[in-house]
Amino acid sequence: AIQMTQSPSSLSASVGDRVTITCRASQGIRNDLGWYQQKPGKAPKLLIYSASSLQSGVPSRFSGSGSGTDFTLTVSSLHPEDFATYYCLQNYNYPRTFGQGTKVEIK
Amino acid sequence: EVQLVESGGGLVKPGGSLRLSCAASGFTFNSSTMNWVRQAPGKGLEWLSSISSSSTYIYYADSVKGRFTISRDNAKKSLYLQMNSLRVEDTAVYYCVRVDDFWSNYPLYWGQGTLVTVSS
Repeated sequence: AIQMTQSPSSLSASVGDRVTITCRASQGIRNDLGWYQQKPGKAPKLLIYSASSLQSGVPSRFSGSGSGTDFTLTVSSLHPEDFATYYCLQNYNYPRTFGQGTKVEIK
Repeated sequence: EVQLVESGGGLVKPGGSLRLSCAASGFTFNSSTMNWVRQAPGKGLEWLSSISSSSTYIYYADSVKGRFTISRDNAKKSLYLQMNSLRVEDTAVYYCVRVDDFWSNYPLYWGQGTLVTVSS
């Protein structure tokens, strides 16, 4: 199975900060990478698919990039509602695998 | 509106069995790939299994292969997960998830989850 490694596992940031989260795959996955946001007690929400495509309804401050093995999720300016945990998902082959998550906390 | 409602969770002893169900509405169920994803308390997301629209293609995570069985009944618009030989580490919230087959091909719609607790 492909291993997905996210970094950092957590970070502290302030409203308005630019935040970048990375995800590395143990083998090449083309651009078959998605990013999800999860808030406590809620189901995950798809933000980005195919590494850089913004899911409908997701604010444009979220962006994704990368291909092959290295990917990034960037929030250009953190809003209060963006404090959450973020997961990457490889959609390249089965079994699908998630990264371990990155918790974005308020500084 | 897409709705996915899981049921069947509860407390079960190690070695026991449980069958989860997911009732779907608001979309063409018989054309949709469906997944199960779980989340242990305080932990990350774990993809478990996928089933294609006509049940032709079925996949499992190594952690549940041979113990869990995914199935669906398109006439009843329902997805199932039969869980056997349950272990303490299977304790988690289990989510039913619909893949967006028509656009992104990513898991997009999630149920609210059902909690499975494996404990003696």
